[in-house]
Amino acid sequence: GAGVSQSPRYKVAKRGQDVALRCDPISGHVSLFWYQQALGQGPEFLTYFQNEAQLDKSGLPSDRFFAERPEGSVSTLKIQRTQQEDSAVYLCASSLSPPGQVHTEAFFGQGTRLTVV
Amino acid sequence: ILNVEQSPQSLHVQEGDSTNFTCSFPSSNFYALHWYRWETAKSPEALFVMTLNGDEKKKGRISATLNTKEGYSYLYIKGSQPEDSATYLCAPLDAGGTSYGKLTFGQGTILTVHP
Repeated sequence: GAGVSQSPRYKVAKRGQDVALRCDPISGHVSLFWYQQALGQGPEFLTYFQNEAQLDKSGLPSDRFFAERPEGSVSTLKIQRTQQEDSAVYLCASSLSPPGQVHTEAFFGQGTRLTVV
Repeated sequence: ILNVEQSPQSLHVQEGDSTNFTCSFPSSNFYALHWYRWETAKSPEALFVMTLNGDEKKKGRISATLNTKEGYSYLYIKGSQPEDSATYLCAPLDAGGTSYGKLTFGQGTILTVHP
């Protein structure tokens, strides 16, 4: 597809359930980011991949959160034993080159809205 | 972690009004600033990437200015239309000594344009 695709768009999980959120970046994009947006807040950085390498996972809130991008394209964000505070919109973004190249624009997916009940 | 402030948090204007809002960020180690527009049920869309002090960028009725010395950027919308209703996010790029940059977003300004 032409843009970044995320699935599912909406997910309702029971507390304690594991979930997996998928991101299909734009083909050929080197960089991939995951962000978490809680209600009333701006998106907060979770983790960054450059190709298949996870260069930064400093934003992952706990060891229940795990992300992978095994072949340098599709990425999955997994949350184990979900808690109510995990309820948020999870955004994926990709860019052609690392954002350190200042004119790089990030392209976002529509996000996955996770509700933990 | 950068401290990014956007104001106001929300704004209601009438169709045809011009409006502006602010993004404040630390002026030290500035690298670049991104502005995004996020309409409900859509993906955040990049508006501008700004790098130079005094930079002014324009896209249609939307323009932005950048002051890296004092650490702020203004976004202006001239003659607001209902389709401009969205959340506007700014994100300085934090080089932070890494080989890439991470975008640190403000909480956004929610703009509602009433017909």
